Amino acid sequence: DTGVSQDPRHKITKRGQNVTFRCDPISEHNRLYWYRQTLGQGPEFLTYFQNEAQLEKSRLLSDRFSAERPKGSFSTLEIQRTEQGDSAMYLCASSLVGGMHSPLHFGNGTRLTVT
Amino acid sequence: SQQGEEDPQALSIQEGENATMNCSYKTSINNLQWYRQNSGRGLVHLILIRSNEREKHSGRLRVTLDTSKKSSSLLITASRAADTASYFCATDAKGAQKLVFGQGTRLTINP
Repeated sequence: DTGVSQDPRHKITKRGQNVTFRCDPISEHNRLYWYRQTLGQGPEFLTYFQNEAQLEKSRLLSDRFSAERPKGSFSTLEIQRTEQGDSAMYLCASSLVGGMHSPLHFGNGTRLTVT
Repeated sequence: SQQGEEDPQALSIQEGENATMNCSYKTSINNLQWYRQNSGRGLVHLILIRSNEREKHSGRLRVTLDTSKKSSSLLITASRAADTASYFCATDAKGAQKLVFGQGTRLTINP
């Protein structure tokens, strides 16, 4: 059973560097979400795609953050000029469209540490 | 900001006891979902209850929903050590296309 996979699992970077994360959703899922989670908190919505279209972005997503989903398959989340406040777990999830009655399937996340 | 608020923030019980977690939310919803998260892992969907449902069961899980009070509860019966995890409620507000998660309840089952 191929679930949602995220790469890398851990990333340590110095402040000011750029980082890119990848998410491979479940193949038949056409919705893909990115969330950010800090220690002791629930996941916070960042953005979502339906196929290749990015349909909503949170105000949390500053101009240093960009997400893409070329061809409606895998997605990348890039953070430019990282700051210590960007340290968090970045979670990707996928679901079927029409699927606010469908659950989200989460990957195991990418833990980012900015030093 | 989080829409759902879970209560309590942390809960520690003995194996075999029942665990009850509560969730409150602010806006009208289409459905409410509960998720579990083991340390360092992603979230796993447990159960979904629609706004026109009042109670739902799945194995040892029982979820209730009171839309007039904008609240839900998750009951885990006959708890096991493997139930140790954080539990989150999540809602999709009417007209929204995303789930909004609460802060979670950290559940510890002591053997």
